[in-house]
Amino acid sequence: DGGITQSPKYLFRKEGQNVTLSCEQNLNHDAMYWYRQDPGQGLRLIYYSQIVNDFQKGDIAEGYSVSREKKESFPLTVTSAQKNPTAFYLCASSLLPGQGATSFSPLHFGNGTRLTVT
Amino acid sequence: KQEVTQIPAALSVPEGENLVLNCSFTDSAIYNLQWFRQDPGKGLTSLLLIQSSQREQTSGRLNASLDKSSGRSTLYIAASQPGDSATYLCAVTRSGRRALTFGSGTRLQVQP
Repeated sequence: DGGITQSPKYLFRKEGQNVTLSCEQNLNHDAMYWYRQDPGQGLRLIYYSQIVNDFQKGDIAEGYSVSREKKESFPLTVTSAQKNPTAFYLCASSLLPGQGATSFSPLHFGNGTRLTVT
Repeated sequence: KQEVTQIPAALSVPEGENLVLNCSFTDSAIYNLQWFRQDPGKGLTSLLLIQSSQREQTSGRLNASLDKSSGRSTLYIAASQPGDSATYLCAVTRSGRRALTFGSGTRLQVQP
């Protein structure tokens, strides 16, 4: 079945360590996104990418980095510079106009990674 | 800057009731609006997507409307069931920005 896979589901790290969250999709989508969700809040955009080897900062990019070396993969690194890294991280993908969609298509989400930093 | 607000933050209804969830946004220059469902500890599932040129979309017991000029959308759920219990989020794609801005969600509990 096509979908988005995030791993691991739970991740624990010590303060000061970098950690990388995995996101893989087999939907052949060009666009991929990383969001952060804090308790009782909506999702906030960290980074997004519309094409391989290119990505843009979202609203809260500080302390995070990404890469897009393959269409299927969009890993997120939470660096030690991120002041409040404990959160639920969600990866998503979508078609873009011209990729079989007349306009922006619905986002498909992974099941998330819950990161706890102590 | 686009802001998306959802009211109420939480809602509890008995099974079988029809209900309306509200979403408002500050910048009417949007490409589309989406409604999502999120179960606890899970990702989001897209329920309905309304393009900016449309006024409503329907899927089964769900109907979403969009009034772009007033910056409002509603999600109508008919004959609610306990399985509808979840958090419902709305999100807009802003013109010139190919990513969604989310509201904080409405947590729905349908009592059997």
